[in-house]
Amino acid sequence: DAEITQSPRHKITETGRQVTLACHQTWNHNNMFWYRQDLGHGLRLIHYSYGVQDTNKGEVSDGYSVSRSNTEDLPLTLESAASSQTSVYFCASQIGPAGEQYFGPGTRLTVT
Amino acid sequence: AQSVTQLDSQVPVFEEAPVELRCNYSSSVSVYLFWYVQYPNQGLQLLLKYLSGSTLVKGINGFEAEFNKSQTSFHLRKPSVHISDTAEYFCAFNAGGTSYGKLTFGQGTILTVHP
Repeated sequence: DAEITQSPRHKITETGRQVTLACHQTWNHNNMFWYRQDLGHGLRLIHYSYGVQDTNKGEVSDGYSVSRSNTEDLPLTLESAASSQTSVYFCASQIGPAGEQYFGPGTRLTVT
Repeated sequence: AQSVTQLDSQVPVFEEAPVELRCNYSSSVSVYLFWYVQYPNQGLQLLLKYLSGSTLVKGINGFEAEFNKSQTSFHLRKPSVHISDTAEYFCAFNAGGTSYGKLTFGQGTILTVHP
C-alpha cells in the first residue's frame, strides 16, 4: 500500500545544531507540505512544494528550509535549532490542488 | 483574510449521545472543506470532505457534515458517539485556485466521550 512516512519519530537535539527531518511518500503526489503543531496554534504551514525543484515558504518558515530533488521526498532542515522550534512536525502529500492531504505520523522534536 | 473558526475548544459528551462540532470559515471564494481526526500520538486522518454537489457529506466512522454556504459553516455531527471517538478534530478548507492546495486549519476541538 502507498503511504507517507516520517523519520525519526522522536528527536532530542541541542540549541544551535542542524537537524533534518525526513518525509517520504510512495503515492507519487506532486504536492508536499510541512506543518508544525503546537498547543493553542493548531497546524501551521512551514514550507510546501508543488513538484521537483519547487519550494515555497509558508506562514512560519523562518529558521527552516526544504529541498525537493525527487517526487518522493521533502526533507525539512532546521539550520540552527532553537528552543522555540520544539514542536511536533507533520508532513503531508496531496495529489492535486482540490484533493485532500494525507498526513504522516509526525516527528516530535525537542530542542534543549 | 481567510480563516477557519472552530467554535468549541473542548466538547465533553456521554457515550451514545449525539454530538455536533461547529466550524465556520471566512473566504471570499468558493472553498473545499475537510474534517480531520487526530488520535493521541498519531497523524491526522481524513474523516470527510466537501468538494461540490450534495451539501450533506458522509464520512467514516458514522460522521457526517453539512455545508451551508449562506452561513459559511461546515458542522460535523454524529448521532451516537463511542468511547473510541475521543480525539481531536480539525476543520480545514482549501480556497481552490487562489491557494492551490494549501489548507487553512481551525484550532481544533477536543472531543471527550465519557462512559
